[in-house]
Amino acid sequence: GQNIDQPTEMTATEGAIVQINCTYQTSGFNGLFWYQQHAGEAPTFLSYNVLDGLEEKGRFSSFLSRSKGYSYLLLKELQMKDSASYLCAALQGGGFKTIFGAGTRLFVKA
Amino acid sequence: ETGVTQTPRHLVMGMTNKKSLKCEQHLGHNAMYWYKQSAKKPLELMFVYSLEERVENNSVPSRFSPECPNSSHLFLHLHTLQPEDSALYLCASSLGTSGSEEQYFGPGTRLTVT
Repeated sequence: GQNIDQPTEMTATEGAIVQINCTYQTSGFNGLFWYQQHAGEAPTFLSYNVLDGLEEKGRFSSFLSRSKGYSYLLLKELQMKDSASYLCAALQGGGFKTIFGAGTRLFVKA
Repeated sequence: ETGVTQTPRHLVMGMTNKKSLKCEQHLGHNAMYWYKQSAKKPLELMFVYSLEERVENNSVPSRFSPECPNSSHLFLHLHTLQPEDSALYLCASSLGTSGSEEQYFGPGTRLTVT
């Protein structure tokens, strides 16, 4: 079957580091996306991993382990504006079918 | 502004009405997508068009009918909808024809079926 799991909510403090985990089970896996979605707005792209390892992009990093069906998004030096939902999405191989998780709502407190 | 626009932004329709949602992308992309986003549920892929050809139809009921007249425009025609179809409908586009590029989302149409 196809399944994407991520925590429903997380809370962290401004300036801290937070790791949002995602596990997936999909047929013909061909990469893992992370998107950010602020309340009432459209999702915006953060990262795409297709090979194992860590990719860093400024304050955000994304990690993938294909053998474990596992990814995480790491946010450093948290800012209040990082309060949003973070969507994990797996791409099924050979096509355009992207399976999204339900999202993790991150609350950043002062 | 992502370069993807959707109209209308809000729509209320009765179950017997027929309406259409419109999406336009100004990015020169080759693939366009329709998604449904309901409260507390994951984003659900509905349809994908690549180079104006439908390449994904994710078991969507026939009361939703997509149309892609050219690579910049995408429509979702709605008829005899049910109250459970009330949701945010998001359009997205991506540059290439492989599915592995980032998607740019429009602001969505908030649909309420009464």
